Amino acid sequence: EAQVTQNPRYLITVTGKKLTVTCSQNMNHEYMSWYRQDPGLGLRQIYYSMNVEVTDKGDVPEGYKVSRKEKRNFPLILESPSPNQTSLYFCASSFGSKPYNEQFFGPGTRLTVL
Amino acid sequence: AQKVTQAQTEISVVEKEDVTLDCVYETRDTTYYLFWYKQPPSGELVFLIRRNSFDEQNEISGRYSWNFQKSTSSFNFTITASQVVDSAVYFCALSEAATGNQFYFGTGTSLTVIP
Repeated sequence: EAQVTQNPRYLITVTGKKLTVTCSQNMNHEYMSWYRQDPGLGLRQIYYSMNVEVTDKGDVPEGYKVSRKEKRNFPLILESPSPNQTSLYFCASSFGSKPYNEQFFGPGTRLTVL
Repeated sequence: AQKVTQAQTEISVVEKEDVTLDCVYETRDTTYYLFWYKQPPSGELVFLIRRNSFDEQNEISGRYSWNFQKSTSSFNFTITASQVVDSAVYFCALSEAATGNQFYFGTGTSLTVIP
């Protein structure tokens, strides 16, 4: 089944404790992206990747890191999480190296930083 | 500046009414892509439609229709004869061919269909 998977689905952590949210897709997509969803703000792009080893900042990259060592995986790293990073996070992927096509979304990761 | 504006934060309609969700976008590119996604209460994001800037034909899919007007930079979404299952948050989104590789969502419109 074609899908984007994210883990964990729910995470409660404390300020400053490094964490990684994994994202994997099995559709051989080039473009992958991370978004955060906050009430009243919609979804905002954090980072995106056009292909392996090619990543760039979205609108809200502060406090986040990403890497794209393999085509299928695009982990989101919070080196020192803070309470303002409490949010719902979505990973997505799409065909092609540009965001011109339908994006397939993971189920979301709800992160709470205390 | 917001690239995609969805001015309607919340809308409530009674079942079987028609409802239109507005989306206004801003871009200087001549080639761009517009999207609508649905987020039901279960939380997943469901793709509804993609249009490119060169195709201004309106689209109809069952009870759903989309009106794309470049002259007003709008890409509105109409649900005819709404049903309770249409209750969701709807997002309009934009990507631009020339000026970047980002994907921009609007802030969403929460639609409640009352039985």
